[in-house]
Amino acid sequence: GQQLNQSPQSMFIQEGEDVSMNCTSSSIFNTWLWYKQDPGEGPVLLIALYKAGELTSNGRLTAQFGITRKDSFLNISASIPSDVGIYFCAGRGSGSEKLVFGKGTKLTVNP
Amino acid sequence: NAGVTQTPKFQVLKTGQSMTLQCAQDMNHNSMYWYRQDPGMGLRLIYYSASEGTTDKGEVPNGYNVSRLNKREFSLRLESAAPSQTSVYFCASSRREGAVGEQYFGPGTRLTVT
Repeated sequence: GQQLNQSPQSMFIQEGEDVSMNCTSSSIFNTWLWYKQDPGEGPVLLIALYKAGELTSNGRLTAQFGITRKDSFLNISASIPSDVGIYFCAGRGSGSEKLVFGKGTKLTVNP
Repeated sequence: NAGVTQTPKFQVLKTGQSMTLQCAQDMNHNSMYWYRQDPGMGLRLIYYSASEGTTDKGEVPNGYNVSRLNKREFSLRLESAAPSQTSVYFCASSRREGAVGEQYFGPGTRLTVT
């Protein structure tokens, strides 16, 4: 089946630093989504991407839909302590209503 | 507008007991999903329902049944709980037109089977 490789698995950074994480797929996706999960909560949608090459921002977060349609990137600028959590990528193939999820990147921000 | 709600929030079962996890959404979405989340495994799809009256298996359906009661509600049943079903269960919903694929999640049910 389809698989997503999300990296890195974890990151430890200082407050104020920028963060980059990415997901790669073995197959083409029509939609890429990025979610954040706080401890004890459900995932919350951060950014949705629908077109190859698309670059979309949400505050300090910027995500890109790779031109090969097999990858996506999420950047967080000037990190703050509340950015702590697990970030998941998810992709949707053509004609499918199901999402394939990456295993997550756990972000720790030291104040 | 509560989004996706789930009950209960926590549950402890003994092996062999049964229970139903409830999920409801008030966003008029057609599609609903059940996932389980285990450490290091990410989110894995158990069952989904593309519309009222239809259900389909996901990646890990064994040991579970679902019911799409109406457009708003989608329940997950464990008939005979096993320790391997200890997990956090999430319900999600999405629309089938427009921004297809954007799934919105509930707060989760934390289930322990002893």
